[in-house]
Amino acid sequence: DAGVTQTPRHEVAEKGQTIILKCEPVSGHNDLFWYRQTKIQGLELLSYFRSKSLMEDGGAFKDRFKAEMLNSSFSTLKIQPTEPKDSAVYLCASRLGGRVTEVFFGKGTRLTVV
Amino acid sequence: SQWGEENLQALSIQEGEDVTMNCSYKTYTTVVHWYRQDSGRGPALIILIRSNEREKRSGRLRATLDTSSQSSSLSITAAQCEDTAVYFCARGWSNTNKVVFGTGTRLQVLP
Repeated sequence: DAGVTQTPRHEVAEKGQTIILKCEPVSGHNDLFWYRQTKIQGLELLSYFRSKSLMEDGGAFKDRFKAEMLNSSFSTLKIQPTEPKDSAVYLCASRLGGRVTEVFFGKGTRLTVV
Repeated sequence: SQWGEENLQALSIQEGEDVTMNCSYKTYTTVVHWYRQDSGRGPALIILIRSNEREKRSGRLRATLDTSSQSSSLSITAAQCEDTAVYFCARGWSNTNKVVFGTGTRLQVLP
């Protein structure tokens, strides 16, 4: 029984590059979240989808971060252009939705921007 | 963090001690989640408490939720080395159901 799958696990990018992170949620889950994790800020919500519709667009992250969900089993997070301050772990998570509130996380993608 | 004035903390205790981690929030919530994150992995739910429960136990874990003070706590009794992890509280926002996390508490249990 597959959980949330994220690829790649590690990514190194040069400043100014475009990178795309991928996520496959738990099969049948309706809600999908993207978070950025740093030691200082903790877990920051970047995007939130419900049934493929974008519910939350990340406020301060809007300008260079774009999450998409083309179908119910696949989501991408594009960062364009990357900056060194984007170095962090990016976590994708999914949830069944409705009254079921537990969120299941992937292992994350560690992004390093040099 | 949008809520959860948990403040990024680092706690270090000896094996066998009890420890309590706290979380406070600015707006009313009816559900608080506590997650645990081990190194190299994403967070995983360890206990969920609703406002009508006030206290919930799971093994050596005990969570409380006080809606009047808008705070929640997670206690670990007789901590063991394998309890070493980062612990997060999280809540849902009622209007959109997004889930927002606190900054986390890094707990180290020493042998």
